[in-house]
Amino acid sequence: ELKVEQNPLFLSMQEGKNYTIYCNYSTTSDRLYWYRQDPGKSLESLFVLLSNGAVKQEGRLMASLDTKARLSTLHITAAVHDLSATYFCAVDGDSNYQLIWGAGTKLIIKP
Amino acid sequence: SAVISQKPSRDICQRGTSLTIQCQVDSQVTMMFWYRQQPGQSLTLIATANQGSEATYESGFVIDKFPISRPNLTFSTLTVSNMSPEDSSIYLCSVRAIYEQYFGPGTRLTVT
Repeated sequence: ELKVEQNPLFLSMQEGKNYTIYCNYSTTSDRLYWYRQDPGKSLESLFVLLSNGAVKQEGRLMASLDTKARLSTLHITAAVHDLSATYFCAVDGDSNYQLIWGAGTKLIIKP
Repeated sequence: SAVISQKPSRDICQRGTSLTIQCQVDSQVTMMFWYRQQPGQSLTLIATANQGSEATYESGFVIDKFPISRPNLTFSTLTVSNMSPEDSSIYLCSVRAIYEQYFGPGTRLTVT
């Protein structure tokens, strides 16, 4: 069974702190996607990681991919309240263009 | 990139009725996807819709309950039929463009 596991599922942290969200997957996909979802909103693409060792950064967020370990991380540096959201990772499934989704990590950043 | 619009953005419906959700994309795409997201949950793929062919449904979803139309390369509809409170969810239209997957704003459905 194809699986994508995120942890933690819930994270409450203080502003200014650093933290990492982990995404483990069971497929042989070389591509991994990170999305952000604000309450009541649709999904916003954050990063597309296309190969082993890929690292991408946008502001206080940095994502990396290790295809050998089947692990991606989303690192948050010096968190600010605006980063409060639910973050999803997803990988390509066996069928064309279908994504397998993680359960999501709900991130709350307190002032 | 692709810009996707959905109508309606939200609706409150009575049990036993049907609702058709429209999805419009600003460019031609081969595949369109319909997802359901129940409150506090991740995304679940309902079906993949290709223009000119029958939609392909995922396990647990059937055409009688979720009929889909795909009349051209920029438009699709999803109907939620004979609704029950368990159908209360956000329904998302999505398209794939090379390595990116784009999502519409979603339709928030509440069934009473």
